[in-house]
Amino acid sequence: SYELTQPPSVSVSPGQTANITCSGEKLDFKLLYWYQQKPGQSPLLVIYKDNRRPSGIPERFSGSKSGNTATLTISGTQAMDEADFYCQAWDRSTLYVFGAGTKVTVL
Amino acid sequence: EVQLVESGGGLVQPGESLRLSCVVSGFIASEHYMDWVRQAPGKGLEWVGRIKNKPSDDATQYAASVEGRVTISRDDEKNLVSLQLTSLKIDDTAMYYCTRAVQDGFDIWGQGTKVTVAS
Repeated sequence: SYELTQPPSVSVSPGQTANITCSGEKLDFKLLYWYQQKPGQSPLLVIYKDNRRPSGIPERFSGSKSGNTATLTISGTQAMDEADFYCQAWDRSTLYVFGAGTKVTVL
Repeated sequence: EVQLVESGGGLVQPGESLRLSCVVSGFIASEHYMDWVRQAPGKGLEWVGRIKNKPSDDATQYAASVEGRVTISRDDEKNLVSLQLTSLKIDDTAMYYCTRAVQDGFDIWGQGTKVTVAS
């Protein structure tokens, strides 16, 4: 079955840049989605199709992909950005696959 | 306003059944693929299954972990999507989210409905 691998946690100082990686086999041939989930809330789409930002999502959120690794970047991280972030892709055998999630802590 | 509102969760015993509902507002459910994703307490997201749109003959697909125990259906008159869970196990304890699929991801999520399976 297909798997996406994320680091369990990322720490960042306010105003600095946070990079959250997501790796998977043949990821360059898949569309990658990123979701933010704050405690007690449902997931929120923050990046779709690798690097596109939905309406209403701040510009400090950006996505990129190179080879088998995708990266969600939060520039100028704010305290309100503290959350769990999940990457997700579609695979022919497993259908929808999520990474295990990365907890972003703003110190 | 585009919105998904789930209901139907609760406390059930192992082996029992439960039907979850997702009321769709702001768009027509039958024009989209509608999916269910669950999240066990303190864990990550797990795709459960989906019902395709009318042009795709309302076909359903399910995750291997629930295949045979789950049925997703849609009521077009009510613009509602349902998830029927049978033979519930302790491991089915989770928050169940209704979502709208777009290409290979999900753009709209409901607030979730909590299912607890315990004796």
